Formats: sequence, structure tokens, C-alpha cells
Amino acid sequence: KNEVEQSPQNLTAQEGEFITINCSYSVGISALHWLQQHPGGGIVSLFMLSSGKKKHGRLIATINIQEKHSSLHITASHPRDSAVYICAVRWRGNTDKLIFGTGTRLQVFP
Amino acid sequence: SAVISQKPSRDICQRGTSLTIQCQVDSQVTMMFWYRQQPGQSLTLIATANQGSEATYESGFVIDKFPISRPNLTFSTLTVSNMSPEDSSIYLCSGNRGNGPLAVAFFGQGTRLTVV
Repeated sequence: KNEVEQSPQNLTAQEGEFITINCSYSVGISALHWLQQHPGGGIVSLFMLSSGKKKHGRLIATINIQEKHSSLHITASHPRDSAVYICAVRWRGNTDKLIFGTGTRLQVFP
Repeated sequence: SAVISQKPSRDICQRGTSLTIQCQVDSQVTMMFWYRQQPGQSLTLIATANQGSEATYESGFVIDKFPISRPNLTFSTLTVSNMSPEDSSIYLCSGNRGNGPLAVAFFGQGTRLTVV
């Protein structure tokens, strides 16, 4: 069993739909990152969370430390949101390294 | 936020040859890492690049296959040596700004390597 699991693995949506991607983890963490990977391979950091909720534009990230769960929401989705979204946690036992989920591939169609 | 310039962005290489990937950070980062992402898989940490000393390798990765240099706080290279088709992957470098649990992670643009 992976220490960081994401669902769904693949997601398709029509433009304008509300998107939710989930991340569950089994280890004690100090922070959780949501990352976006475009087809070329480069990764952009979207959020870093240690509690509560953060919002940036159409993106919202929440975390529930007690339940070991985080969600990434995209409101009014757009084809340019098509990418792989990766959840990564900074393990409390070794805060230098990140443990990555397997990613959620999102395709938004016009 | 820091910017990490990684090159090359992609390459097609013959088996048995070596490829060196470079990462340049626009400002100092406390730690730098090299990852491999095989097709359809998540990121796997190859090693932590230590400034001025030998890299710290994860289980399953060895210096002879993946030599790493980090001569200063803003530059690092990863060499994939004696390549085989199994080395076809995306290779990414990453840096931490700050220390401890709230260190912010930055990533390069990735190098998509195909070995034929």
C-alpha cells in the first residue's frame, strides 16, 4: 500500500465543471503539497498546506490533519487545467524529503 | 519563488552512452534533489545533492550509474551513465527553500530521456 494515495487516477470533465481530486496519506506529516505537472514534465507547486484551506484563483486546497486527507478543487474548469495533479507530503520523520502520490490525470474538454 | 532552469528538456540517446543533465537555480536553495519518473509512475528520489561533497543515494541507486555533482548552492548535475532502454524516464531536479517542515519545494522543467 502506498503511503500517499490519490483518487481518481484519471478524470475527464467538460469545461466549466467543478473538479475535486482527493489525497489520503498514512504517515504523520508536517506539510502537504499539491503539484501540477504538464505534458512536458515540468512541475509547478500549487499549494503547500499544514492546516485548513488555501485559495488561489480558481484553485482551492483543503486539508484535514486528523483524517489524513486533503482535497484539491478546481472551480469553472478550463481546458488549460488539463495536467497531472500530484499530492506530496513532507513526512514528519524526515522533513527534508517529499513522498509523492501517483498523480491524477485530468483532461478538460471544451 | 525560486526558478530552476533544467536542461536539456529532452534527448534521445543511444544505449551505452551517457547524458548529463544540468540544473541552475536563480537563488540559493538549502537542498537539491534528483528524481526519476518512469512512464505512468510517481516520482522516485534518486539522491540528495550535497554541496561540495558526495551525494546521498536512495536504495536502488548507485553513484557509478548516476554520478551527481553540486559544486555550489545554485548548480547541480546528474549524469545517467551507460544508458539502457530501461533508463528512459523523465528526470527532475528539485530544490528546497528554507529548512524543516515548511520548506518550500521548487522543481525544474524536467528532462524527458529516451534511450534507443
